[in-house]
Amino acid sequence: AQSVAQPEDQVNVAEGNPLTVKCTYSVSGNPYLFWYVQYPNRGLQFLLKYITGDNLVKGSYGFEAEFNKSQTSFHLKKPSALVSDSALYFCAVKSSASKIIFGSGTRLSIRP
Amino acid sequence: DTAVSQTPKYLVTQMGNDKSIKCEQNLGHDTMYWYKQDSKKFLKIMFSYNNKELIINETVPNRFSPKSPDKAHLNLHINSLELGDSAVYFCASSQGLTATNTGELFFGEGSRLTVL
Repeated sequence: AQSVAQPEDQVNVAEGNPLTVKCTYSVSGNPYLFWYVQYPNRGLQFLLKYITGDNLVKGSYGFEAEFNKSQTSFHLKKPSALVSDSALYFCAVKSSASKIIFGSGTRLSIRP
Repeated sequence: DTAVSQTPKYLVTQMGNDKSIKCEQNLGHDTMYWYKQDSKKFLKIMFSYNNKELIINETVPNRFSPKSPDKAHLNLHINSLELGDSAVYFCASSQGLTATNTGELFFGEGSRLTVL
């Protein structure tokens, strides 16, 4: 069965420092991987996706993610964090038509 | 123009009542979903419709009944509401997975249901 894990409930980073939010997945077949962000009292917003090709994918707001097949990981990264990046981040996997499974979410807190 | 819109945004009701949440998307997508987000922020898929046809029906009590009158609308009706139904319900849409569409989801703003 497909699944996705986000091992950290919370990540705390100082503004200006690099950030990483971790995600590992388990699927049969080729994974389609996504990151979404949720701000308070809002719906989820799509950030970026990996379908095929280059293992480093770039997305919105300066975020990028690295697909690592051997480690079955898809970690979200940003070189320099902003206070406005503070939000809830969800990793998701889609391996069959029309079914997307979300991780448990990681709360990212950026301190000034 | 809001791409995926849900109404109502807030719903407070008593146990045992019946309520509905409506969702409309103007993105021209062919697939719509209902997700439930609980108080710990876990997101769980409930239903999915593709071109008005039910394609995903997770383990959800049959008190929950989705209805899709056309591919731009997906409503959720809940009978005999229970305390545990309190959550935020999100509608989402996507274009089905094909060679050119990768099916990322577009979410509504959520409908917060509180059952007293």
